[in-house]
Amino acid sequence: DVKVTQSSRYLVKRTGEKVFLECVQDMDHENMFWYRQDPGLGLRLIYFSYDVKMKEKGDIPEGYSVSREKKERFSLILESASTNQTSMYLCASSLWASSYGYTFGSGTRLTVV
Amino acid sequence: AQSVTQLDSQVPVFEEAPVELRCNYSSSVSVYLFWYVQYPNQGLQLLLKYLSGSTLVESINGFEAEFNKSQTSFHLRKPSVHISDTAEYFCAVSQGAQKLVFGQGTRLTINP
Repeated sequence: DVKVTQSSRYLVKRTGEKVFLECVQDMDHENMFWYRQDPGLGLRLIYFSYDVKMKEKGDIPEGYSVSREKKERFSLILESASTNQTSMYLCASSLWASSYGYTFGSGTRLTVV
Repeated sequence: AQSVTQLDSQVPVFEEAPVELRCNYSSSVSVYLFWYVQYPNQGLQLLLKYLSGSTLVESINGFEAEFNKSQTSFHLRKPSVHISDTAEYFCAVSQGAQKLVFGQGTRLTINP
């Protein structure tokens, strides 16, 4: 069964900490995405990557960075966590074209205290 | 840029009643359309998609959606819902060659 795996299901971090969220896919997908999900706001794109070492800002990149050193792994980095980054973070991957749709991970619920 | 509007944030219905979840998108150019479902404490799963051809598409669990180009809509319907359909439903539309834009989500609650 094809999978997108997010390393943590729940995470609690302190304000100012550097936080790493990891995502791994086993489908040889070219594209990988990071979204945050907040009630009433749906899914908002943070960053996406269409190839190794390539990245593009999404709609809300401020306060985040990403890393894609290998095709299967896409990391989201919160340089200095703040309470307004408390959210559900969803990773997704897809083949090269949007017509294939996305495969999502189960999500990481991050709480910043 | 493409945008997606899900007209209802919450839809409560009784079990075995019909339901329609509404979705409108902004651009009339050629698009791909998707519905995803998110069960509690899980990620999103693809429910169905429209790429081309017949404007009516179906899922394996009884949902269907109709692509209406003139109204730029892709509403999701089910003639008789079950308790297990309780979930949040997201409409998505393609933007460019690689990305999808998602709506705000509709929370479907089934009452016995």
